[in-house]
Amino acid sequence: AQTVTQSQPEMSVQEAETVTLSCTYDTSESDYYLFWYKQPPSRQMILVIRQEAYKQQNATENRFSVNFQKAAKSFSLKISDSQLGDAAMYFCALAIYNQGGKLIFGQGTELSVKP
Amino acid sequence: GAVVSQHPSRVICKSGTSVKIECRSLDFQATTMFWYRQFPKQSLMLMATSNEGSKATYEQGVEKDKFLINHASLTLSTLTVTSAHPEDSSFYICSARGGGVEQYFGPGTRLTVT
Repeated sequence: AQTVTQSQPEMSVQEAETVTLSCTYDTSESDYYLFWYKQPPSRQMILVIRQEAYKQQNATENRFSVNFQKAAKSFSLKISDSQLGDAAMYFCALAIYNQGGKLIFGQGTELSVKP
Repeated sequence: GAVVSQHPSRVICKSGTSVKIECRSLDFQATTMFWYRQFPKQSLMLMATSNEGSKATYEQGVEKDKFLINHASLTLSTLTVTSAHPEDSSFYICSARGGGVEQYFGPGTRLTVT
């Protein structure tokens, strides 16, 4: 069975500073994808970033980057130059390629941004 | 691109009645659609996976006779909550997947059963 664990229920960051959200996962599969989703108060799920397991290079999307440590099964999200609009719930998710793309979500981390 | 809509966004129904939620992929064909349930401050719980033209696959513990899923076309899936009870009150989210691995999420439906 696959699992995704986010051990930080809440995090806080000062505006313009950097914050890192942690995520660990467990799977015996070799072909999988990892995602970070953002869910603001509107509750619309927004894809922040994705990482293919076979790629060694860490994915980046503007102010968002990941630290993918495959051997350690760790997938952390770094948000640089934090903005007030970054305040949201962040979910880490795992999709196994040969399981129809079903997403397994972590428990979520609620990020607050202080002005 | 990759927009998914849900209707209604909010619904209130009386205990014992049924309510239908629609999920549509607006600008792509969804080979697979997923239905999730989310309680406040909690993660998304996958209820079922549906593929166009075939029966939905339900996750363990989800009552298939209570949560009826129909995926009649490549752009529409429906979730019907039958004989709703107050404990069915929740936020229901659908997502759709085209040819790739990414899922695109609808805005969700808040169901309140009185």
